[in-house]
Amino acid sequence: DQQVKQNSPSLSVQEGRISILNCDYTNSMFDYFLWYKKYPAEGPTFLISISSIKDKNEDGRFTVFLNKSAKHLSLHIVPSQPGDSAVYFCAASGANSGYALNFGKGTSLLVTP
Amino acid sequence: KAGVTQTPRYLIKTRGQQVTLSCSPISGHRSVSWYQQTPGQGLQFLFEYFSETQRNKGNFPGRFSGRQFSNSRSEMNVSTLELGDSALYLCASSLLGEDGYTFGSGTRLTVV
Repeated sequence: DQQVKQNSPSLSVQEGRISILNCDYTNSMFDYFLWYKKYPAEGPTFLISISSIKDKNEDGRFTVFLNKSAKHLSLHIVPSQPGDSAVYFCAASGANSGYALNFGKGTSLLVTP
Repeated sequence: KAGVTQTPRYLIKTRGQQVTLSCSPISGHRSVSWYQQTPGQGLQFLFEYFSETQRNKGNFPGRFSGRQFSNSRSEMNVSTLELGDSALYLCASSLLGEDGYTFGSGTRLTVV
């Protein structure tokens, strides 16, 4: 069963605007969450992470928000740039699963000029 | 520093054959994990090795196996290949395993 879900397969945003990618999880034992970006024919590239003791983490244009009670996290990209166009994967892990990454199925982001 | 290196990049095999994929982790990383990516199932965890021991295993049949060498390099083997094994196989390395992973570019396996 899918423990990490990204319900939007695709998202289109204009350059300069905010991109918001969402992710939900079902396993309350997850305590570490990551976002990866992936281009075709390449492996995922780590973007940003957050542990369950925080509710926000920022790195430049990327901010991840975690709402533990709702089992929901989101990635904000501000401002969006055409080079951000890629597939974004949300992943979650926890000690009870040996820190194996449980991935969502990804959201394809298209940033248009 | 060099990233995670996977070889070969592309592979075509026939049903029933076996295949071995190789992964060289980032220098100093002791944890190596393998993932399978398919269009239908997304990215799924296969197994993780740490200091030559399999520490964690996903929900895949026994035809999928792996090993890790003393220099942390890892191989995964798939025996009796099926058409459904066609996928992108990704290797990821980490210092300890719970601090996030760096992925290689993957090996694209096609079974015909």
